[in-house]
Amino acid sequence: DTAVSQTPKYLVTQMGNDKSIKCEQNLGHDTMYWYKQDSKKFLKIMFSYNNKELIINETVPNRFSPKSPDKAHLNLHINSLELGDSAVYFCASSQGGSGWKQYFGPGTRLTVT
Amino acid sequence: GQQLNQSPQSMFIQEGEDVSMNCTSSSIFNTWLWYKQDPGEGPVLLIALYKAGELTSNGRLTAQFGITRKDSFLNISASIPSDVGIYFCAVPPISSGSARQLTFGSGTQLTVLP
Repeated sequence: DTAVSQTPKYLVTQMGNDKSIKCEQNLGHDTMYWYKQDSKKFLKIMFSYNNKELIINETVPNRFSPKSPDKAHLNLHINSLELGDSAVYFCASSQGGSGWKQYFGPGTRLTVT
Repeated sequence: GQQLNQSPQSMFIQEGEDVSMNCTSSSIFNTWLWYKQDPGEGPVLLIALYKAGELTSNGRLTAQFGITRKDSFLNISASIPSDVGIYFCAVPPISSGSARQLTFGSGTQLTVLP
């Protein structure tokens, strides 16, 4: 069974469109995250979320918004896509109190044309 | 924000050779983590270090938490083709809340030649 899954794996869209990436974890974890990996492979946290708080990295444009329908899902919505949004987006999850072990999904490669 | 300087940026080695990489910062940390990212996959945690001076092994991998708490090292012995990938160091913030946001280094791309 896949621990952290993301859909779609690849997403190609045009500038100005709105798109969503879905993430699900079946580990029973209480915290989920979204990361962005740019073309130079640099990984940067975008959001972290548990049932108590949402922490947004200050550099993330407000066109990006996480939405959590339940504890096992944290979806990423992106409005008015821009060329610079092209990257690989990773979802991850962890359980509070178990150290810093974060489990990552396989990533979604977003290409904005 | 926190910055981690990871080196080398890339390495090309022969199968069987040993590999060393490191991560440094101007800030001190209480935890150092090492992740590996296989091509087309998400990062996977290899080793976690929680105490200054700590030396921890995971198979052929050995990582050390620097005494100054500002650096960490990862060594891979007798490399094999499946060691190919990007290795990242990562640290949590000193003052952590309930959401555990990690800062990642820039990565070391390892290529193992047969």
